[in-house]
Amino acid sequence: GNSVTQMEGPVTLSEEAFLTINCTYTATGYPSLFWYVQYPGEGLQLLLKATKADDKGSNKGFEATYRKETTSFHLEKGSVQVSDSAVYFCALSGNQAGTALIFGKGTTLSVSS
Amino acid sequence: EPEVTQTPSHQVTQMGQEVILRCVPISNHLYFYWYRQILGQKVEFLVSFYNNEISEKSEIFDDQFSVERPDGSNFTLKIRSTKLEDSAMYFCASSGTSGRAGEQFFGPGTRLTVL
Repeated sequence: GNSVTQMEGPVTLSEEAFLTINCTYTATGYPSLFWYVQYPGEGLQLLLKATKADDKGSNKGFEATYRKETTSFHLEKGSVQVSDSAVYFCALSGNQAGTALIFGKGTTLSVSS
Repeated sequence: EPEVTQTPSHQVTQMGQEVILRCVPISNHLYFYWYRQILGQKVEFLVSFYNNEISEKSEIFDDQFSVERPDGSNFTLKIRSTKLEDSAMYFCASSGTSGRAGEQFFGPGTRLTVL
């Protein structure tokens, strides 16, 4: 079945450091890929998405590229801020509207000033 | 900006009791979902709902669970006889129609505590 594997956390960085959170997936066909973020005490917010191979999703300085050859969707940011401290979830879904999101276990990012 | 709302934000119940968690999806969305997140674990899919019927459900969604859209705005998750292991954060989500998978918008969640 479909699955998502994320790097284990927590990730602890200093402000302005470079961030990479690895995500790989197993799926049949051509899923859509997502990164969701969960700030402390809040629900899930979509951070970025990519719906086909080689697409790059980007938002708030975060980027991720849909790599079909390596089945990966790694999240990157060139310079993190304290306000980026949160839990980041990689997820995939099937092609059709209404299909379930399959989430990775989440990676906790802690950024200190 | 339209958003998904959920009530209550926190529900405490005794084991064996019935609970109903409520959600108001975004008004022009047609797909509705429930997910849960046990503390410290990943978010897990429970069920999706479209056109007044379940379109997909996970192994977690057994006979103790049911969903309903009682009117044009609410979407509910009922747990008939709660167990300790049902303690979790429950998220409702909704999405519109699109050729490819569209964004699912999540509510803030209901924290269910079963004692």
